[in-house]
Amino acid sequence: AQKITQTQPGMFVQEKEAVTLDCTYDTSDPSYGLFWYKQPSSGEMIFLIYQGSYDQQNATEGRYSLNFQKARKSANLVISASQLGDSAMYFCAMREGNFGNEKLTFGTGTRLTIIP
Amino acid sequence: DTGVSQDPRHKITKRGQNVTFRCDPISEHNRLYWYRQTLGQGPEFLTYFQNEAQLEKSRLLSDRFSAERPKGSFSTLEIQRTEQGDSAMYLCASSLARAGEDTQYFGPGTRLTVL
Repeated sequence: AQKITQTQPGMFVQEKEAVTLDCTYDTSDPSYGLFWYKQPSSGEMIFLIYQGSYDQQNATEGRYSLNFQKARKSANLVISASQLGDSAMYFCAMREGNFGNEKLTFGTGTRLTIIP
Repeated sequence: DTGVSQDPRHKITKRGQNVTFRCDPISEHNRLYWYRQTLGQGPEFLTYFQNEAQLEKSRLLSDRFSAERPKGSFSTLEIQRTEQGDSAMYLCASSLARAGEDTQYFGPGTRLTVL
């Protein structure tokens, strides 16, 4: 089974609207971390937001928030008031376990296009 | 804080040649990671170092691949006898190991094209 599933290959959103990018994950480990990265056409992966499995509240960073539903194993990224510069690929990633398993497992990404 | 840097940004080589990429992590970070990203996919883990020690290697890292981090600072990734299937973006990331988040910060990548 895929560890990270992003079911939206592409999305088109009007500028200034909010957008939700879906991510579901699969792990049996009670301790894990979930990350979202943005990859513009230049190629660099830009860290956006992190959610730990034991965090009680949803993570927020500026216009980014993470809708963490543990029982459903989903970690959707919400971008409020989208901007043209938000057009990029977005990747959800997971790190399982505590120290000793450091690799990130990524989904296949969602290409977000903001329409003026 | 200058961020993670990688050199070169682009490399075109002929099949069978050897190539070497360099990664300079964020200065205080003790962990360094290499990932490979092919077109239309997310990055895939290759290997990581804590200081100079290489602690984990993926099955993706065949015998033709070798990575080093000799002084616990910069790292090199060498691919010997390149094949067309090695064409990909090679991403380096670094992190500061501590309890909690341990976020990985990525460099701009090296795009390899094997002709």
